[in-house]
Amino acid sequence: GQNIDQPTEMTATEGAIVQINCTYQTSGFNGLFWYQQHAGEAPTFLSYNVLDGLEEKGRFSSFLSRSKGYSYLLLKELQMKDSASYLCAVRDSNYQLIWGAGTKLIIKP
Amino acid sequence: DAMVIQNPRYQVTQFGKPVTLSCSQTLNHNVMYWYQQKSSQAPKLLFHYYDKDFNNEADTPDNFQSRRPNTSFCFLDIRSPGLGDAAMYLCATSRAREGGPDTQYFGPGTRLTVL
Repeated sequence: GQNIDQPTEMTATEGAIVQINCTYQTSGFNGLFWYQQHAGEAPTFLSYNVLDGLEEKGRFSSFLSRSKGYSYLLLKELQMKDSASYLCAVRDSNYQLIWGAGTKLIIKP
Repeated sequence: DAMVIQNPRYQVTQFGKPVTLSCSQTLNHNVMYWYQQKSSQAPKLLFHYYDKDFNNEADTPDNFQSRRPNTSFCFLDIRSPGLGDAAMYLCATSRAREGGPDTQYFGPGTRLTVL
């Protein structure tokens, strides 16, 4: 079966750096997405990786290793507003999105 | 601003009473999706439209139906809501490109409560 694994919850301190990992086993691979979801709101698109390596977007970066079935989202200079769930999703060979359950990130002052 | 709009944001219905959720988009995307999401769980795809072509997920209950009268609008009908159908319902859209649909963009969601 197809599977996305992410930690359930992480805690970090305001101003620090945090790395959220995602591992996947899917039927084929056509890209990996990271979404941010604040409590009670819809997911918003953060990043997309289809080739190996690091994609940087301001305070957020996303890394992909296709051979290892692994990605991470790196958040720098954490702010209280970054408290949210972060969902990893992989597009399989049929272009279906397979979703992880999300990692709840708690930021402490 | 181009966007995905869902109405209502909060819907309360009674057990067994039909309910319709609506989604509209100004992005002119030809793919539209309906997801169900329960607390601390991954979004679960119910169905999607590729233009007018309807695609139902194998495990979507018959209780859930959908209509897409035109490019901009899509509706989710729940014929006889049960307590287990209480969830956030998310509408998303994407542009279809050669090789498959592009990034999905979500509306704000409708939170359904079943009494």
